Amino acid sequence: DTGVSQDPRHKITKRGQNVTFRCDPISEHNRLYWYRQTLGQGPEFLTYFQNEAQLEKSRLLSDRFSAERPKGSFSTLEIQRTEQGDSAMYLCASNSGMETGELFFGEGSRLTVL
Amino acid sequence: GQQVMQIPQYQHVQEGEDFTTYCNSSTTLSNIQWYKQRPGGHPVFLIQLVKSGEVKKQKRLTFQFGEAKKNSSLHITATQTTDVGTYFCAGSSNSGYALNFGKGTSLLVTP
Repeated sequence: DTGVSQDPRHKITKRGQNVTFRCDPISEHNRLYWYRQTLGQGPEFLTYFQNEAQLEKSRLLSDRFSAERPKGSFSTLEIQRTEQGDSAMYLCASNSGMETGELFFGEGSRLTVL
Repeated sequence: GQQVMQIPQYQHVQEGEDFTTYCNSSTTLSNIQWYKQRPGGHPVFLIQLVKSGEVKKQKRLTFQFGEAKKNSSLHITATQTTDVGTYFCAGSSNSGYALNFGKGTSLLVTP
């Protein structure tokens, strides 16, 4: 499968613990995005990478959230000291920036904070 | 900041009826995209509109971009049960890379 893959698909953690999600974009895509989606809502933009450079972060993104894309390929999203309000689906998307701006989404990583 | 609003939030139709969802932005958009998300699935791209007043069709789906590039609509003719899902519009401005999604319109089609 050459689509966007995310790992883990599900994560249950206790409040205060740290969690990390990984995203492997489509191989030729240089743009990578992280979104968060809660039930009944649209995807909420978190951050954007072009190659290894993080070019934009949402002002809503708490300093407990950090994202990296060290080699311009896969990306990680870490949430420190998780809170119950962090429970959501974390979606990764990628595109090449050519022609349409179509985002190719992964299946998402569902986080439940107890 | 830029906000994208969609109405209605929910729509329940009988199979064969038409369906329309509307999207409005607080700011002028450089382009607008539409996505469909099936229950339990992830958003899947449908189309992108770039030009003022643009209209595009995909079989039973018709997409429009307003003249002022601040609103858009998706119209489905003669809905089928396979149209069930949540339809999102997403817009971006020239000032950033973020694609900002509306809250979506959830469509339920009963046979």
